[in-house]
Amino acid sequence: KQEVTQIPAALSVPEGENLVLNCSFTDSAIYNLQWFRQDPGKGLTSLLLIQSSQREQTSGRLNASLDKSSGRSTLYIAASQPGDSATYLCAVEGDKIIFGKGTRLHILP
Amino acid sequence: GAGVSQSPRYKVAKRGQDVALRCDPISGHVSLFWYQQALGQGPEFLTYFQNEAQLDKSGLPSDRFFAERPEGSVSTLKIQRTQQEDSAVYLCASSFTGNTEAFFGQGTRLTVV
Repeated sequence: KQEVTQIPAALSVPEGENLVLNCSFTDSAIYNLQWFRQDPGKGLTSLLLIQSSQREQTSGRLNASLDKSSGRSTLYIAASQPGDSATYLCAVEGDKIIFGKGTRLHILP
Repeated sequence: GAGVSQSPRYKVAKRGQDVALRCDPISGHVSLFWYQQALGQGPEFLTYFQNEAQLDKSGLPSDRFFAERPEGSVSTLKIQRTQQEDSAVYLCASSFTGNTEAFFGQGTRLTVV
């Protein structure tokens, strides 16, 4: 059974810092890994999708990496801004999409 | 439509009432997923359709939960005799196939009082 773990559960950092969010999964037989952002009371916004054959994807200040063999992914956020404050969810897709519990990120102005 | 549409956005139900939540996937998307997200938690898988076939319903928490997609497009999640613990956001997602990017709707927030 696929299990997805995100560390840390919560993170507060000053504006401008670079930061890394971690995601690990137990079953490496996946098609894709997606990182989502969720603002309070809102739906999911897809940030980055990494296919199983890829190692990383970049979009603006965001970079996500995937090491399928070790069951790990990281989301790197450069030069954090207060607007980055949200919950970040990692989801792995095999037979179905399994989510982690998320990392609640707070960027201090 | 341009994205996955869910209705209603908000639903308040009295305990014991039946509710039906609707999901309109992106046109042409074969795969459709339902998730339940409790406050402060990540989304939990409920069920998965490929066209009209329900391939996995292992996440449905009880026999009060029922999902259908009779024509392989719109899907309905029905909850019978709602309980307070059913209060959550119910998310629907669709993808072109089972291993391509999934797109999520805004969800239906269900509150059982």
